[in-house]
Amino acid sequence: DSGVTQTPKHLITATGQRVTLRCSPRSGDLSVYWYQQSLDQGLQFLIQYYNGEERAKGNILERFSAQQFPDLHSELNLSSLELGDSALYFCASSPGGQRNQPQHFGDGTRLSIL
Amino acid sequence: ELKVEQNPLFLSMQEGKNYTIYCNYSTTSDRLYWYRQDPGKSLESLFVLLSNGAVKQEGRLMASLDTKARLSTLHITAAVHDLSATYFCAVDPVGNQFYFGTGTSLTVIP
Repeated sequence: DSGVTQTPKHLITATGQRVTLRCSPRSGDLSVYWYQQSLDQGLQFLIQYYNGEERAKGNILERFSAQQFPDLHSELNLSSLELGDSALYFCASSPGGQRNQPQHFGDGTRLSIL
Repeated sequence: ELKVEQNPLFLSMQEGKNYTIYCNYSTTSDRLYWYRQDPGKSLESLFVLLSNGAVKQEGRLMASLDTKARLSTLHITAAVHDLSATYFCAVDPVGNQFYFGTGTSLTVIP
């Protein structure tokens, strides 16, 4: 158990809809990262938050947005969903900005768009 | 565009044999990470390599980093079935932005 909690585990919805994925980092971790894993794109970094502020942005679509709340949990919002958004979405956390620390991953949310 | 390439993509090996997985990356990075992912599961951190020449070992796995060649290797010694998984390398060239490799799917056959 990594200590990172993601909900829900599975989500099935239709094109055009909007969903919210939730992540609670490990106790004490200030950084939260979001990733998308799909068969064709592999594992792609989306965005990182550190102590409530956006720290780094990767290949995140404009239809997607995220935030980190004062209690350090984070939400990833996906809107105007398309079939290609079907993927496994991972959240990871680490203590802070130090680059010598690995990220600890949650179990992921599997999103299926019908 | 930054690329992180692993080879082989698929590896089937017999128990007891040795093999090496290679991770090449296209930009400067003084740090490299190895992760393991079991089917349908999350990613588990294996190694954090922090400098050129770094070598780390855990059980039957040993990882090394050559930052000048932009190459990391994950060596498997005397493979056992429990090592069957997908292995990913990742680099962090600009800080806090991980770029993952394509993954190597390892199957260890009894």
